[in-house]
Amino acid sequence: GESVGLHLPTLSVQEGDNSIINCAYSNSASDYFIWYKQESGKGPQFIIDIRSNMDKRQGQRVTVLLNKTVKHLSLQIAATQPGDSAVYFCAETTGSARQLTFGSGTQLTVLP
Amino acid sequence: GAVVSQHPSWVICKSGTSVKIECRSLDFQATTMFWYRQFPKQSLMLMATSNEGSKATYEQGVEKDKFLINHASLTLSTLTVTSAHPEDSSFYICSATGTVREKLFFGSGTQLSVL
Repeated sequence: GESVGLHLPTLSVQEGDNSIINCAYSNSASDYFIWYKQESGKGPQFIIDIRSNMDKRQGQRVTVLLNKTVKHLSLQIAATQPGDSAVYFCAETTGSARQLTFGSGTQLTVLP
Repeated sequence: GAVVSQHPSWVICKSGTSVKIECRSLDFQATTMFWYRQFPKQSLMLMATSNEGSKATYEQGVEKDKFLINHASLTLSTLTVTSAHPEDSSFYICSATGTVREKLFFGSGTQLSVL
């Protein structure tokens, strides 16, 4: 079936630097994308979403970029903080299915 | 905002016993609930989708007789792992959605350890 994958399994950044987490998806019919943060032993926490009719969306300290031409999604975290250390998943869905397909996840570690 | 409560947060059981996990939507009517399974350092894998009042739809490879899902009300879905074995040890997560399209709310997960 279709899959959503991440380029890097781990990412380490210095506190205060910007982080970029990437995600590739293969389902060209996907029209809604979400980034989740998951801390150890907890459920996923919504960070930001974007629809396929947009190529950029900004939140507080986070920005999601969508490149439909190459089926690529990225999450940018500005001024990364220790509390940002977690696993980040991208997820995609189509239409009104509301079923998410999750990527493999990236472990973000923020170094002091 | 909307909250999904999942209980218990962790459970240890003996091999061969059954375990029930509850997922409740606290301030909205969850027309659809999803159950996921997550192994250490891996992604969430969808197990089944349940709509209130209907039989659950299981993903390929998920045994419906082993993972019993009940969604009898708009605020409660349960997952029962029957005759649990050590290989069923995993982190189980539910999510729920209501009338707001595509807005999914996740529970906090249940860590199941089968001895």
